[in-house]
Amino acid sequence: EDQVTQSPEALRLQEGESSSLNCSYTVSGLRGLFWYRQDPGKGPEFLFTLYSAGEEKEKERLKATLTKKESFLHITAPKPEDSATYLCAVQAPQGGSEKLVFGKGTKLTVNP
Amino acid sequence: DAEITQSPRHKITETGRQVTLACHQTWNHNNMFWYRQDLGHGLRLIHYSYGVQDTNKGEVSDGYSVSRSNTEDLPLTLESAASSQTSVYFCASSESSGDPQETQYFGPGTRLLVL
Repeated sequence: EDQVTQSPEALRLQEGESSSLNCSYTVSGLRGLFWYRQDPGKGPEFLFTLYSAGEEKEKERLKATLTKKESFLHITAPKPEDSATYLCAVQAPQGGSEKLVFGKGTKLTVNP
Repeated sequence: DAEITQSPRHKITETGRQVTLACHQTWNHNNMFWYRQDLGHGLRLIHYSYGVQDTNKGEVSDGYSVSRSNTEDLPLTLESAASSQTSVYFCASSESSGDPQETQYFGPGTRLLVL
């Protein structure tokens, strides 16, 4: 069964303190790995898609990387507005469907 | 701007009642999805559709149904609401251009409480 595990469950950082969130997965034939940001009371907001090991994508203070077994979301010099829950999801061949399997998320709090 | 909307945003109902949650997207996406989100679980897929008249069961489909009569809408119906269906429900859509890695875009969610 395809599984996605995110760690840590929660992370508290001081403003400017860089860190990384982890998403490990066990799927056969990864088609894509997605990162989303979710603010309280809102729907997930798309951040990145990674397709193959070695790929990296950046957006402002965020950089996502992908290996054959895991992905990291690196946060450089975070600001309080980066506080949110970050969700990881993977897509694997399932009869041609586009179904995603989500992890439980990492709740990030950045203190000023 | 194109968007995806859900209504109502909040709903309180009683056990045994039928409830319908609406999802409307203006992107003209072929693919639409319904998820539920609960503490201790990731987003879990309820039903999905790849086009008009197409519906498929997801991971947690028992007690739910959907119908797709046009491209823009995928209403989710709880046939007889149960307390276990208290949750936050999210609708999502994605384009279908033959590329299976199309990104899913999510609505704002509906918070449902079943008493």
